Amino acid sequence: AQSVAQPEDQVNVAEGNPLTVKCTYSVSGNPYLFWYVQYPNRGLQFLLKYITGDNLVKGSYGFEAEFNKSQTSFHLKKPSALVSDSALYFCAVRDPGAMDSNYQLIWGAGTKLIIKP
Amino acid sequence: DTGVSQDPRHKITKRGQNVTFRCDPISEHNRLYWYRQTLGQGPEFLTYFQNEAQLEKSRLLSDRFSAERPKGSFSTLEIQRTEQGDSAMYLCASRFTGDSGNTIYFGEGSWLTVV
Repeated sequence: AQSVAQPEDQVNVAEGNPLTVKCTYSVSGNPYLFWYVQYPNRGLQFLLKYITGDNLVKGSYGFEAEFNKSQTSFHLKKPSALVSDSALYFCAVRDPGAMDSNYQLIWGAGTKLIIKP
Repeated sequence: DTGVSQDPRHKITKRGQNVTFRCDPISEHNRLYWYRQTLGQGPEFLTYFQNEAQLEKSRLLSDRFSAERPKGSFSTLEIQRTEQGDSAMYLCASRFTGDSGNTIYFGEGSWLTVV
C-alpha cells in the first residue's frame, strides 16, 4: 500500500538551531514529493517539491528538503530555525503513474514544529 | 488574484441545518479540489472538477454533500442536514494542468462547527 510516514508527532528546536522534520514514503514508481506548512486555523501553504533532478530542493522561507531514493526519505530542513517557523508540517506524495482522474495526494499525519526562543 | 479564496472562513451551525461554502480558485486554474481536514490529520480528498465537470467523488462524500462548479470558475460545496461528524475544516485547492509539477494551491479553509 502506498503511504507516507512522518514518524515524529512533534519536534522541538531552539531558535537559531538547525531543524529537521522527517518524512518517509512508500509508493510504486518514482514519486512526486511535497512539503506543505499549516499555521493555526489556516489552510495549507506550499513549501517545496521534488519531481526530478537535484536531490536537494530549495523552497520558501529558507526551507530545503533532501530526496533520498535508497532510504525513501524526503526530510525537511532549515539551517537556522525561527520562532515564526512554528507550525504544522505535512509531507505528501503523489505517484505520477496514477491515473490523473484519481489525483489525490497521499498525506502524512503531520508534524508539529515548535521553535522555542 | 493572489490565491485561492474561501468563504466563509468560519461557520457554526445547528445540527440538521444546511451550509454552503464557496471557493474561488486561482485564475486560469482548470482543476479544483475539495478536501476535508480534521484536527491532527492530513487532508482527505472529497471531490474534484475539471473546469465545470465533476470528475471524481470520494466514497467519503455522502449523499448529503453536493459540489458544483457551474461556470468552471468558482465552486460551492453544500452540506445538507449537517451532523456533528461533519465538523471539520473544508479546504479548497486548485491547479493548472499545464504545470508539470502537479503543485496544488490551497485556500485557507472554511471551518465548520456543528452544534
